[in-house]
Amino acid sequence: GDSVTQMEGPVTLSEEACLTINCTYTATGYPSLFWYVQYPGEGLQLLLKATKADDKGSNKGFEATYRKETTSFHLEKGSVQVSDSAVYFCALSGQNFVFGPGTRLSVLP
Amino acid sequence: EAQVTQNPRYLITVTGKKLTVTCSQNMNHEYMSWYRQDPGLGLRQIYYSMNVEVTDKGDVPEGYKVSRKEKRNFPLILESPSPNQTSLYFCASSLSVAFSYNEQFFGPGTRLTVL
Repeated sequence: GDSVTQMEGPVTLSEEACLTINCTYTATGYPSLFWYVQYPGEGLQLLLKATKADDKGSNKGFEATYRKETTSFHLEKGSVQVSDSAVYFCALSGQNFVFGPGTRLSVLP
Repeated sequence: EAQVTQNPRYLITVTGKKLTVTCSQNMNHEYMSWYRQDPGLGLRQIYYSMNVEVTDKGDVPEGYKVSRKEKRNFPLILESPSPNQTSLYFCASSLSVAFSYNEQFFGPGTRLTVL
């Protein structure tokens, strides 16, 4: 069945550092790919998405590109802020929704 | 405001006492789902529903029941809760999974403790 693998962390960075969270997937067909973010004490909210190969999703300075050849959807940000501290989930939508295990990011001032 | 609501937000109960967690969405979404989130285990799907009267098991359905009599509501029922069902529960909805580009919208979560 479909699956999503992502680096589990935790990841600790200093403010203004570069961020990459790796995500790879296995799926039949042509899934859409998503990154969700969960801030402390809250539910998940959509951060960005890409619906076909080579699409780039972006939001709040975060970006991810749908790479069909490497089955990847890595999340990147050039300069993180303390307010980016959260848990990040990679997910796909095919016949059903599948989530990765989540990566906890802590950004220190 | 488009949203998914869950009630209660917090619940402490005892083993064996039946409980229901309600979930409602106001976006006319076809797809609804329940997840539990536990430390180190990520999100695990309990049950999902593609539409009214259509429900299916997710990855961890044991000990749970659901029903989908109306499009907007998708209650989660624990007939005889046990301590291993202590968890953070999320309800989510999506317009449809017929088109994979539709994202899920999540409720705020219900923190359940079973003593």
